[in-house]
Amino acid sequence: KNQVEQSPQSLIILEGKNCTLQCNYTVSPFSNLRWYKQDTGRGPVSLTIMTFSENTKSNGRYTATLDADTKQSSLHITASQLSDSASYICVVSSWGSYIPTFGRGTSLIVHP
Amino acid sequence: GAGVSQTPSNKVTEKGKYVELRCDPISGHTALYWYRQSLGQGPEFLIYFQGTGAADDSGLPNDRFFAVRPEGSVSTLKIQRTERGDSAVYLCASSLSGTDTQYFGPGTRLTVL
Repeated sequence: KNQVEQSPQSLIILEGKNCTLQCNYTVSPFSNLRWYKQDTGRGPVSLTIMTFSENTKSNGRYTATLDADTKQSSLHITASQLSDSASYICVVSSWGSYIPTFGRGTSLIVHP
Repeated sequence: GAGVSQTPSNKVTEKGKYVELRCDPISGHTALYWYRQSLGQGPEFLIYFQGTGAADDSGLPNDRFFAVRPEGSVSTLKIQRTERGDSAVYLCASSLSGTDTQYFGPGTRLTVL
């Protein structure tokens, strides 16, 4: 069964600090992995997409990494801002399926 | 153009009532998805449309749930005989095709009393 596990479940950091969120998956055959940011009361918004051959991809202060061998991904947030407070969801798609597998998300709170 | 829109933003109903939730996808997007999201959880897949047809409705929890997309654009999710357990945020997403990035609407928060 395809699964996506995220850790930690929640995280509190101080403004200006860095943090890293983890995603492990068992989706097969792997097609791509996306990180979404979901603000409270909003729908998820795509941050990055990574395919099998990509190891790192950045979007401003967000940097995603992918290790397709160990089936792990991370999302690193640099110099956090209050606006980074949100849920971050890892989503993995498999070849031949139009239905991606969603993780439960990591809730990030950035305190001033 | 505009993003995905959903109406109403909030819906409060009584147990046993019928509700309809509407989704307006991004113009030109052929793929449309409905998800249900409970507090602290990721979106749970309900149904996927490619054009006018439901290509995959395996996520619908039971026959009280039904969705249509008659002209391949706007979609309506219909829930009959609502139960308290149906309370959740219902998200709609659209994409150019079934494998592209999905763009989500803001969701409809359904509360069944």
